[in-house]
Amino acid sequence: IQMTQSPSSLSASVGDRVTITCWPSQSIRNYLNWYQQKPGKAPNLLIYDTSTLRSGVPSRFSGSGSETDFTLTISSLQPEDAATYYCQQSYSTPLTFGGGTKVEIK
Amino acid sequence: LQLQESGPGLVKPSETLSLTCTVSGGSIFSSSYYWGWIRQSPGKGLEWIGSIYYSGSTYYNPSLKSRITISAHTSKNQFSLKLTSVTAADTAVYYCARQSGTKIPVFLGIASDIWGQGTVVAVSS
Repeated sequence: IQMTQSPSSLSASVGDRVTITCWPSQSIRNYLNWYQQKPGKAPNLLIYDTSTLRSGVPSRFSGSGSETDFTLTISSLQPEDAATYYCQQSYSTPLTFGGGTKVEIK
Repeated sequence: LQLQESGPGLVKPSETLSLTCTVSGGSIFSSSYYWGWIRQSPGKGLEWIGSIYYSGSTYYNPSLKSRITISAHTSKNQFSLKLTSVTAADTAVYYCARQSGTKIPVFLGIASDIWGQGTVVAVSS
């Protein structure tokens, strides 16, 4: 299953609402995870099963969608949110990731 | 819980890449998790390599299946990756990760929730 993310990069101001979209090439029901990766670090799980926020992740992060259309939203962008975000489908093997969205702070 | 990858940072083409992930603060002999390997290269992004369950069941990426073996060593609380016949395309940062999911032991809805720091492996003569 191929995962397409959009946009590949974005620049936004602190406090902005940011939306990242992920489109699987086929239905994955709700088996979609989101990760945040900062330079030189391993990815960090933010959201699993489309919309379940991992414990400790700020509530400004949220996920939605189903089947072939998913969204990660940051409701109020913070400086520490500068990172690359990846979606990953967990519906079938091989597990596959999107190409990433780099979020920069203006 | 912490995971730490170890292994050579440089491997010659056609040779075998061997990496070990040492888990501390918890046991890999747990029915609640899978343990996986994921790599990241500039050219191919994040790529799942494969995963192993405490029972020894494995799932491999078909694109690598003929070249990979993932094993668990419960007495040492480690799991390992062997990748044979490496080429420059196998140059990447290799991560090990704990993988959780509400459907386990079914390999469905798997998320990598704890990662090692990653180890850089270069394939070059």
